Amino acid sequence: GGIITQTPKFLIGQEGQKLTLKCQQNFNHDTMYWYRQDSGKGLRLIYYSITENDLQKGDLSEGYDASREKKSSFSLTVTSAQKNEMAVFLCASSILGGFAEQFFGPGTRLTVL
Amino acid sequence: GDSVTQTEGPVTLSEGTSLTVNCSYETKQYPTLFWYVQYPGEGPQLLFKVPKANEKGSNRGFEATYNKEATSFHLQKASVQESDSAVYYCALSDRDTNAYKVIFGKGTHLHVLP
Repeated sequence: GGIITQTPKFLIGQEGQKLTLKCQQNFNHDTMYWYRQDSGKGLRLIYYSITENDLQKGDLSEGYDASREKKSSFSLTVTSAQKNEMAVFLCASSILGGFAEQFFGPGTRLTVL
Repeated sequence: GDSVTQTEGPVTLSEGTSLTVNCSYETKQYPTLFWYVQYPGEGPQLLFKVPKANEKGSNRGFEATYNKEATSFHLQKASVQESDSAVYYCALSDRDTNAYKVIFGKGTHLHVLP
C-alpha cells in the first residue's frame, strides 16, 4: 500500500498573500491531481500532471500555479489569496489516468482573513 | 462537455432503511463510472467503479448498475448503518475526451440516524 501526505493540514493566510500547498505520494504513480472542494460544489480540478515535469490546466486553474519537479511530489501555489476564501484542497494520484482509481490525501483547509 | 448530476443533499435516513442516490451523466462516448465515498476528515476513497455498460459494481453492501440507455448510475443500499454517514460522489472518466480527467458530481451528504 501507499499513502498521500498533504502539508500543511491547515493554512491561514492574508489577502493578497502567495501560499503554497505540498503533496507527496509513495505509490510511485505517474499521474497527480489537485482539486478544490467547496461545500455544495463538489470537486473541481485545478491542475494535473501526467508525469514528472508535466503540467496540465484543469477547469479552475486561474489564480493558481503548480509544480511537479519530482515524480513523488506535486505543489500548488495560490498566487494571490482572496479575502474570505475558504476551501479544502485535495491532492490525488493515479497509476494510469482518469479511468483508474484515484487515491486522495486528507486535504489542506485554507482560510483567508 | 461531460457532466455528472446527482441527488442534492443532505439526505437523512434512519438506520435500517434503504438508500438510493440518483446519478445521471452526459458524455459523448462510453465512460468508466465511479462512486467515491468521503468520510469526515478524510479524502474521498473509491467505493467501486464499472468500466462497461450494463454491468454492476458493488462494495460494502452498496451497488450500482451502469445503465447506458438511461445514462444513469444510481447508488443503492438495502439497509444503511450509522457508519455509512458520509459524502458520496458519482464520477466519470471518458477516455475519448481526456484519458486523465475525472468529472465529479457535487456530492450527496448522507446522515444516518441511530
